[in-house]
Amino acid sequence: SAVISQKPSRDICQRGTSLTIQCQVDSQVTMMFWYRQQPGQSLTLIATANQGSEATYESGFVIDKFPISRPNLTFSTLTVSNMSPEDSSIYLCSVDGQAGANVLTFGAGSRLTVL
Amino acid sequence: GNSVTQMEGPVTLSEEAFLTINCTYTATGYPSLFWYVQYPGEGLQLLLKATKADDKGSNKGFEATYRKETTSFHLEKGSVQVSDSAVYFCALVEPKKLVFGKGTKLTVNP
Repeated sequence: SAVISQKPSRDICQRGTSLTIQCQVDSQVTMMFWYRQQPGQSLTLIATANQGSEATYESGFVIDKFPISRPNLTFSTLTVSNMSPEDSSIYLCSVDGQAGANVLTFGAGSRLTVL
Repeated sequence: GNSVTQMEGPVTLSEEAFLTINCTYTATGYPSLFWYVQYPGEGLQLLLKATKADDKGSNKGFEATYRKETTSFHLEKGSVQVSDSAVYFCALVEPKKLVFGKGTKLTVNP
């Protein structure tokens, strides 16, 4: 299965600032997914990023708050904009492990704390 | 919409104890079901899955059976080890995404 590297692994941020999380995959993948895991909550899909097209956002998530780039088949970024303490979460990048099998491979996550 | 409910954690067991982590789901139809595991400092990884009713997924001594009558997919292991300490997530698939439970943290003491 694919190996995913995420950066940063953790960060402490000030309210009102923005942070970009990078996700690098060791193989070409069509779809990349960004999830959020708030403290004590389940993982929630933020958006699906396809190379060469706009990301598809889930209900409750908007591009202005979570802009996503997908410049090629091995890389994506998620920006958390104008952060507030409510954005303190673990953000995870994932990819399909097997075509059509809905088995995801995840990165280790980026733990953001907003003060 | 579809949802997954897991037993609340944390769960603390002694080595060689029997483990059950309950998972029930609400869904339209019969979606594929999964257990993912997240070891400390690592990403989530697939532990096992079942794609239809009465299927049993198994891996690393863990088992879970897809029960449509009770809409459940409970995770079991007969004898846990310290190395099983992790967070376990139950999930189901709906078109184009996975829906996860909140996760159950398991700590196994020697």
